[in-house]
Amino acid sequence: AQKITQTQPGMFVQEKEAVTLDCTYDTSDQSYGLFWYKQPSSGEMIFLIYQGSYDEQNATEGRYSLNFQKARKSANLVISASQLGDSAMYFCAIWRNFNKFYFGSGTKLNVKP
Amino acid sequence: DTGVSQDPRHKITKRGQNVTFRCDPISEHNRLYWYRQTLGQGPEFLTYFQNEAQLEKSRLLSDRFSAERPKGSFSTLEIQRTEQGDSAMYLCASSPPAGLETQYFGPGTRLLVL
Repeated sequence: AQKITQTQPGMFVQEKEAVTLDCTYDTSDQSYGLFWYKQPSSGEMIFLIYQGSYDEQNATEGRYSLNFQKARKSANLVISASQLGDSAMYFCAIWRNFNKFYFGSGTKLNVKP
Repeated sequence: DTGVSQDPRHKITKRGQNVTFRCDPISEHNRLYWYRQTLGQGPEFLTYFQNEAQLEKSRLLSDRFSAERPKGSFSTLEIQRTEQGDSAMYLCASSPPAGLETQYFGPGTRLLVL
Protein backbone atom coordinates (compact mmCIF):
# COMPACT_ATOMS: atom_id res chain seq x y z
CA ALA A 1 0.00 0.00 0.00
CA GLN A 2 1.23 3.47 -0.85
CA LYS A 3 2.36 5.13 2.34
CA ILE A 4 3.44 8.50 0.99
CA THR A 5 1.77 10.28 -1.91
CA GLN A 6 3.17 13.26 -3.75
CA THR A 7 0.67 14.22 -6.42
CA GLN A 8 2.72 16.90 -8.17
CA PRO A 9 5.35 15.37 -10.47
CA GLY A 10 6.56 18.83 -11.47
CA MET A 11 6.11 22.39 -10.29
CA PHE A 12 7.23 25.79 -11.54
CA VAL A 13 7.66 28.85 -9.35
CA GLN A 14 8.91 32.33 -10.03
CA GLU A 15 12.05 33.34 -8.19
CA LYS A 16 11.31 35.10 -4.87
CA GLU A 17 7.79 33.69 -4.68
CA ALA A 18 6.56 31.05 -2.24
CA VAL A 19 5.65 27.51 -3.30
CA THR A 20 3.86 24.64 -1.60
CA LEU A 21 4.73 21.03 -2.32
CA ASP A 22 2.02 18.55 -1.38
CA CYS A 23 2.44 15.36 0.61
CA THR A 24 -0.14 13.03 2.08
CA TYR A 25 0.59 9.91 4.06
CA ASP A 26 -1.06 6.77 5.26
CA THR A 27 -0.40 5.23 8.64
CA SER A 28 -2.32 3.92 11.61
CA ASP A 29 0.65 4.43 13.91
CA GLN A 30 0.33 6.94 16.71
CA SER A 31 4.03 7.76 16.68
CA TYR A 32 5.70 8.64 13.42
CA GLY A 33 7.85 11.31 11.86
CA LEU A 34 7.60 13.19 8.62
CA PHE A 35 10.61 14.43 6.68
CA TRP A 36 11.37 16.41 3.59
CA TYR A 37 14.54 15.91 1.61
CA LYS A 38 15.95 17.81 -1.37
CA GLN A 39 17.80 15.98 -4.11
CA PRO A 40 19.71 18.19 -6.56
CA SER A 41 20.89 16.80 -9.88
CA SER A 42 24.12 15.71 -8.17
CA GLY A 43 22.09 12.99 -6.45
CA GLU A 44 22.75 13.58 -2.77
CA MET A 45 19.72 13.63 -0.47
CA ILE A 46 19.76 16.73 1.70
CA PHE A 47 17.67 16.82 4.88
CA LEU A 48 15.43 19.88 5.05
CA ILE A 49 12.88 19.58 7.83
CA TYR A 50 11.28 17.19 10.31
CA GLN A 51 7.87 17.03 12.00
CA GLY A 52 7.00 14.59 14.74
CA SER A 53 3.47 13.26 14.97
CA TYR A 54 3.09 14.64 18.49
CA ASP A 55 4.44 18.07 17.64
CA GLU A 56 1.64 20.61 17.84
CA GLN A 57 3.58 23.42 16.25
CA ASN A 58 4.45 23.33 12.57
CA ALA A 59 8.17 22.86 12.01
CA THR A 60 10.20 25.66 10.48
CA GLU A 61 13.79 25.75 9.29
CA GLY A 62 14.80 29.03 7.71
CA ARG A 63 12.86 29.40 4.45
CA TYR A 64 11.27 25.97 4.87
CA SER A 65 8.13 25.29 6.86
CA LEU A 66 6.03 22.18 7.14
CA ASN A 67 2.26 22.63 7.10
CA PHE A 68 1.23 19.65 9.24
CA GLN A 69 -2.48 18.75 9.25
CA LYS A 70 -2.70 15.55 11.22
CA ALA A 71 -6.41 14.87 10.75
CA ARG A 72 -6.01 15.18 6.99
CA LYS A 73 -2.75 13.23 7.07
CA SER A 74 -0.94 15.88 5.10
CA ALA A 75 2.53 17.35 5.53
CA ASN A 76 3.05 19.97 2.87
CA LEU A 77 6.37 21.74 2.44
CA VAL A 78 6.30 25.50 2.00
CA ILE A 79 9.37 27.21 0.57
CA SER A 80 9.30 30.96 0.94
CA ALA A 81 11.23 33.39 -1.26
CA SER A 82 12.29 30.76 -3.80
CA GLN A 83 15.83 30.90 -5.10
CA LEU A 84 17.32 29.48 -8.29
CA GLY A 85 19.27 27.01 -6.17
CA ASP A 86 16.00 25.53 -4.92
CA SER A 87 15.50 23.82 -8.29
CA ALA A 88 15.68 20.12 -7.45
CA MET A 89 13.65 17.03 -6.67
CA TYR A 90 11.87 17.11 -3.33
CA PHE A 91 10.91 13.96 -1.47
CA CYS A 92 8.52 13.55 1.41
CA ALA A 93 9.18 10.60 3.71
CA ILE A 94 7.55 8.99 6.71
CA TRP A 95 9.38 7.22 9.48
CA ARG A 96 7.34 4.57 11.21
CA ASN A 97 7.58 1.11 12.77
CA PHE A 98 10.93 2.05 14.25
CA ASN A 99 13.53 2.54 11.59
CA LYS A 100 11.47 2.14 8.45
CA PHE A 101 11.51 5.04 6.08
CA TYR A 102 9.11 5.28 3.17
CA PHE A 103 9.62 7.90 0.48
CA GLY A 104 7.18 9.39 -1.98
CA SER A 105 7.86 9.55 -5.69
CA GLY A 106 9.01 13.14 -5.50
CA THR A 107 8.19 16.54 -6.96
CA LYS A 108 10.53 18.24 -9.40
CA LEU A 109 10.65 21.95 -8.64
CA ASN A 110 11.86 24.42 -11.21
CA VAL A 111 12.51 27.99 -10.13
CA LYS A 112 12.26 30.47 -12.98
CA PRO A 113 14.36 33.67 -12.97
CA ASP B 1 32.89 17.01 10.57
CA THR B 2 32.67 14.65 7.62
CA GLY B 3 29.41 13.39 6.25
CA VAL B 4 28.48 9.98 4.93
CA SER B 5 30.82 8.82 2.18
CA GLN B 6 30.30 6.17 -0.45
CA ASP B 7 32.69 4.48 -2.79
CA PRO B 8 32.73 4.21 -5.72
CA ARG B 9 30.54 7.03 -6.96
CA HIS B 10 29.95 5.33 -10.28
CA LYS B 11 30.23 1.73 -11.38
CA ILE B 12 29.71 0.22 -14.81
CA THR B 13 29.72 -3.54 -15.00
CA LYS B 14 28.68 -6.33 -17.31
CA ARG B 15 25.72 -8.52 -16.57
CA GLY B 16 26.71 -11.49 -14.44
CA GLN B 17 29.60 -9.77 -12.68
CA ASN B 18 29.75 -9.17 -8.93
CA VAL B 19 30.02 -5.66 -7.52
CA THR B 20 30.67 -4.33 -4.03
CA PHE B 21 29.91 -0.87 -2.68
CA ARG B 22 31.23 0.69 0.49
CA CYS B 23 29.60 3.16 2.87
CA ASP B 24 31.32 5.06 5.68
CA PRO B 25 28.75 6.62 8.02
CA ILE B 26 29.16 9.67 10.20
CA SER B 27 31.46 8.54 12.98
CA GLU B 28 29.13 8.70 15.99
CA HIS B 29 26.15 7.23 14.11
CA ASN B 30 25.40 3.65 15.08
CA ARG B 31 22.53 3.15 12.64
CA LEU B 32 23.11 2.60 8.94
CA TYR B 33 20.69 2.13 6.06
CA TRP B 34 20.92 1.12 2.42
CA TYR B 35 18.44 2.28 -0.19
CA ARG B 36 17.99 1.78 -3.91
CA GLN B 37 16.68 4.56 -6.11
CA THR B 38 15.64 4.09 -9.71
CA LEU B 39 15.02 6.90 -12.16
CA GLY B 40 11.98 8.98 -11.32
CA GLN B 41 11.31 7.24 -8.03
CA GLY B 42 12.02 7.89 -4.39
CA PRO B 43 14.54 5.78 -2.51
CA GLU B 44 13.39 2.29 -1.53
CA PHE B 45 14.56 0.77 1.73
CA LEU B 46 16.85 -2.25 1.39
CA THR B 47 18.36 -2.97 4.78
CA TYR B 48 19.18 -1.53 8.18
CA PHE B 49 22.01 -2.05 10.67
CA GLN B 50 22.23 -1.07 14.27
CA ASN B 51 25.90 -1.31 15.12
CA GLU B 52 27.00 -4.56 13.49
CA ALA B 53 23.60 -6.26 13.65
CA GLN B 54 21.46 -6.37 10.50
CA LEU B 55 17.99 -5.84 11.96
CA GLU B 56 15.82 -5.32 8.90
CA LYS B 57 15.87 -6.58 5.33
CA SER B 58 13.43 -5.63 2.62
CA ARG B 59 11.88 -8.20 0.34
CA LEU B 60 13.58 -6.20 -2.41
CA LEU B 61 16.86 -7.66 -1.17
CA SER B 62 17.05 -10.89 -3.15
CA ASP B 63 19.50 -13.69 -2.46
CA ARG B 64 21.96 -12.04 -4.81
CA PHE B 65 22.28 -9.09 -2.44
CA SER B 66 24.22 -9.20 0.80
CA ALA B 67 25.17 -6.45 3.19
CA GLU B 68 27.60 -6.46 6.06
CA ARG B 69 28.79 -4.12 8.74
CA PRO B 70 31.46 -6.22 10.42
CA LYS B 71 32.74 -3.84 13.08
CA GLY B 72 29.78 -1.55 13.37
CA SER B 73 31.53 1.15 11.39
CA PHE B 74 31.62 0.98 7.58
CA SER B 75 29.26 -1.22 5.60
CA THR B 76 29.46 -3.05 2.30
CA LEU B 77 26.70 -3.98 -0.11
CA GLU B 78 27.50 -6.75 -2.56
CA ILE B 79 25.45 -7.71 -5.58
CA GLN B 80 26.27 -11.05 -7.11
CA ARG B 81 25.52 -12.03 -10.72
CA THR B 82 24.30 -8.54 -11.57
CA GLU B 83 21.30 -8.11 -13.83
CA GLN B 84 20.30 -5.12 -15.93
CA GLY B 85 17.45 -4.48 -13.53
CA ASP B 86 19.99 -3.80 -10.79
CA SER B 87 20.95 -0.55 -12.53
CA ALA B 88 20.10 2.17 -10.03
CA MET B 89 21.51 4.61 -7.53
CA TYR B 90 22.44 2.91 -4.25
CA LEU B 91 22.21 5.27 -1.33
CA CYS B 92 23.58 4.85 2.15
CA ALA B 93 22.35 6.83 5.14
CA SER B 94 23.22 6.94 8.81
CA SER B 95 21.55 8.25 11.91
CA PRO B 96 22.61 8.75 15.51
CA PRO B 97 21.51 6.57 18.43
CA ALA B 98 17.77 6.39 19.14
CA GLY B 99 16.08 9.67 19.89
CA LEU B 100 17.00 11.49 16.69
CA GLU B 101 15.51 9.87 13.63
CA THR B 102 16.91 12.09 10.91
CA GLN B 103 18.88 10.13 8.35
CA TYR B 104 21.89 11.71 6.69
CA PHE B 105 22.61 10.46 3.21
CA GLY B 106 25.79 9.87 1.30
CA PRO B 107 26.27 10.91 -2.33
CA GLY B 108 25.28 7.49 -3.61
CA THR B 109 26.81 4.94 -5.96
CA ARG B 110 25.34 4.94 -9.43
CA LEU B 111 25.40 1.44 -10.91
CA LEU B 112 24.96 0.68 -14.58
CA VAL B 113 24.73 -2.95 -15.64
CA LEU B 114 25.31 -3.50 -19.35
